[in-house]
Amino acid sequence: AQTVTQSQPEMSVQEAETVTLSCTYDTSENNYYLFWYKQPPSRQMILVIRQEAYKQQNATENRFSVNFQKAAKSFSLKISDSQLGDTAMYFCAFVIAGGTSYGKLTFGQGTILTVHP
Amino acid sequence: AAGVIQSPRHLIKEKRETATLKCYPIPRHDTVYWYQQGPGQDPQFLISFYEKMQSDKGSIPDRFSAQQFSDYHSELNMSSLELGDSALYFCASTDSLTADTQYFGPGTRLTVL
Repeated sequence: AQTVTQSQPEMSVQEAETVTLSCTYDTSENNYYLFWYKQPPSRQMILVIRQEAYKQQNATENRFSVNFQKAAKSFSLKISDSQLGDTAMYFCAFVIAGGTSYGKLTFGQGTILTVHP
Repeated sequence: AAGVIQSPRHLIKEKRETATLKCYPIPRHDTVYWYQQGPGQDPQFLISFYEKMQSDKGSIPDRFSAQQFSDYHSELNMSSLELGDSALYFCASTDSLTADTQYFGPGTRLTVL
């Protein structure tokens, strides 16, 4: 079974600064995908970024980037130039690659990020 | 771009009543997932469908059932509702050709009184 762990229940950052959210996972699978989802107060689940396990290059989406360390099973999210709208719960999630039979997402416990003006 | 549609957005039911939640996936997405998120918790996988067949099952109570129809929309039927069923229910969809990135609907907030 796969597990995802987010060890930081809450984080805070000043506007325009950089913050890093941590995530570790455990799996015996070799092919998988990792995601960060954002859940603002509206409770909508919004995809922030995704990483294919077979790619060594870290994914980047504008102000969001990841540090993917496959051997260490670590997948952290860095938010640069934090904005007030980044305030949300952030979930790290894992899915096994290889078809719809394996497609269920396993989520971490979440990290509440608060961006202060 | 079209997104996943869920209806209703909010639902209030009494204990022991039934509820039906509907999900309309993104056009050309053939796979649907249902998740339940309790207050302060992470989403938990309930059930998934691919091409109208159940593809995987998680911690879904026997009181719940679901199906996917020919137009790929899905319905989650919940009977004998309990207070503990109060939660946010998400539907997510994906394209089986990629089958890696799930896009979530806005959720249905179910309150059982």
